[in-house]
Amino acid sequence: SQQGEEDPQALSIQEGENATMNCSYKTSINNLQWYRQNSGRGLVHLILIRSNEREKHSGRLRVTLDTSKKSSSLLITASRAADTASYFCATDGQKLVFGQGTRLTINP
Amino acid sequence: GAVVSQHPSRVICKSGTSVKIECRSLDFQATTMFWYRQFPKQSLMLMATSNEGSKATYEQGVEKDKFLINHASLTLSTLTVTSAHPEDSSFYICSAGGLSQPQHFGDGTRLSIL
Repeated sequence: SQQGEEDPQALSIQEGENATMNCSYKTSINNLQWYRQNSGRGLVHLILIRSNEREKHSGRLRVTLDTSKKSSSLLITASRAADTASYFCATDGQKLVFGQGTRLTINP
Repeated sequence: GAVVSQHPSRVICKSGTSVKIECRSLDFQATTMFWYRQFPKQSLMLMATSNEGSKATYEQGVEKDKFLINHASLTLSTLTVTSAHPEDSSFYICSAGGLSQPQHFGDGTRLSIL
């Protein structure tokens, strides 16, 4: 089944730096979504990029999508301690399938 | 504010107990809700799709008699873990939202079976 695979699995950076996470998937998609999960909580939707879009921005977030490479990236600029969380990409074909996630730690 | 409410947030019970988890959409009608299971430091695994007024669609490997899903109204889906055992201990999360649309997630239920 199609699945988003995140890279890296874990990322630790200093506050103020930019964080980049990558996602690869296997089959064709309708859209790709990114979610954030704080420890022990549900997921929060961050951004959705459709298969015919290449880049999308939302505040400090920038998402790119390359359907030819079946990959997407999430960039968080000027990171803050509150950005510490796990980030998941999810591919939306007939159903939403989540990748393994990237655990992001922002050090103050 | 939250648009999907999930209760309870935490359950600790003895082996053999059946546990019911509720998922409510607060601001919208949800004909479809999804139930996921998540192990520590792992991804979400889709267990089943809950369809209002009809039977749930279970993913391969998920026992429908073990995980009973009822979606009796447009705002409520319930997951009942029947005769729970320690291996059923996990974090269960529901979501609701339209097809190819962002999903709204509940805050999850941490189930611990002793």
